[in-house]
Amino acid sequence: EAGVVQSPRYKIIEKKQPVAFWCNPISGHNTLYWYRQNLGQGPELLIRYENEEAVDDSQLPKDRFSAERLKGVDSTLKIQPAELGDSAVYLCASSSGLAAYNEQFFGPGTRLTVL
Amino acid sequence: RKEVEQDPGPFNVPEGATVAFNCTYSNSASQSFFWYRQDCRKEPKLLMSVYSSGNEDGRFTAQLNRASQYISLLIRDSKLSDSATYLCVVKREYGNKLVFGAGTILRVKS
Repeated sequence: EAGVVQSPRYKIIEKKQPVAFWCNPISGHNTLYWYRQNLGQGPELLIRYENEEAVDDSQLPKDRFSAERLKGVDSTLKIQPAELGDSAVYLCASSSGLAAYNEQFFGPGTRLTVL
Repeated sequence: RKEVEQDPGPFNVPEGATVAFNCTYSNSASQSFFWYRQDCRKEPKLLMSVYSSGNEDGRFTAQLNRASQYISLLIRDSKLSDSATYLCVVKREYGNKLVFGAGTILRVKS
């Protein structure tokens, strides 16, 4: 079974440019998460989707970040405009439910460098 | 103060050694606890869940002390392949997010 797929794997942009990341969760997983991981830190949740509904976006910097999950499958995360401090790894994860036994599976991440 | 705190290490140990990591969490409402492993430039992967009664998976033993709000991971007979960052993770309640510690770096050397 395929895991969580993310693209691109790496992205280098100049500050003030827009950037978008794409995620395809594991088939059948209704819950999708976007995390940001800064160097030397653990991942931090940005947004969680239940099907196509964003149910927890309290950590998403809404002035420049946006996300969508059309049709409750694939998701995109966008930053516009990017700032130097946005350099990080953006991880997508999915799970089949919300209970503790529903493991979150992570994708390989997109490593963003903002120059 | 961070919600989940870990000693960043690195822990440098020889092959065959036993090594233990501790982690503390501040939110007493935390319900579920995990250890994740993250290899360099890779995604985190679930290593094991942690239960109050303690649980073991091969060379790995995890313990939870709710009264003191700390979680431990013991690795026996360390292998070179155990070298990674070990992330302590808590989950507050059903449906809520995972809160990660910053991780503890383990380096096992021959």
